[in-house]
Amino acid sequence: QVQLQESGPGLVKPSETLSLTCTVSGYSIISGYYWGWIRQPPGRGLEWIASMYHSGSTYYNPFLRSRVTISVDTSKNQFSLKLSSVTAADTAVYYCARGHIVGKFDYWGQGALVTVSS
Amino acid sequence: SYVLTQPPSVSVAPGQTARITCGGNNIESKSVHWYQQKPGQAPVLVVYDDSDRPSGIPERFSGSNSGNTATLTINRVEAGDEAGYYCQVWDRSSDHVIFGAGTKLTVL
Repeated sequence: QVQLQESGPGLVKPSETLSLTCTVSGYSIISGYYWGWIRQPPGRGLEWIASMYHSGSTYYNPFLRSRVTISVDTSKNQFSLKLSSVTAADTAVYYCARGHIVGKFDYWGQGALVTVSS
Repeated sequence: SYVLTQPPSVSVAPGQTARITCGGNNIESKSVHWYQQKPGQAPVLVVYDDSDRPSGIPERFSGSNSGNTATLTINRVEAGDEAGYYCQVWDRSSDHVIFGAGTKLTVL
């Protein structure tokens, strides 16, 4: 059974960098599929952040592209998200998920709430 | 950029049929996926590639896609179906994932 688990600080100060890691179990990242990040501000809808293929091809939400870095660590079967220069508007539950070439996400992590506040 | 339009809310009585729409320009040319999200939980894929169901999803859930509208249909609605529902596509022209704003399904 494929499982994903987000981890990282739950509180980040404004202007700093948000960093999250997604640990995948039950499936090897290098075997295929895309790996993505999606977020959901409190009381609002889903917003795609970025996706990457295991070989390194990356795709970004154009509205966040300048602040986002997504990377993979195949030795740990993990992939990561960095979002720089955060503001209160970046407060959200952040999900990692496994994606397919036509975009569906079939396995999701439980989500990690990240609050941006001083 | 490509936009998906969903009604904010849909209400239906138990046992009836709920239809949740997702509008987009020539959406029939894209593969549409639907997610169910209950409060405090991660989204769950309930329909993919317009009309296919992942294993474990009841047959009551079905999808269709024609023209400028994709539709998620839930037959014999149950109280446990009350949730938010999101449509999603991959926009090949921009290589971006697009989500609709979501529809809150209320079971009366």
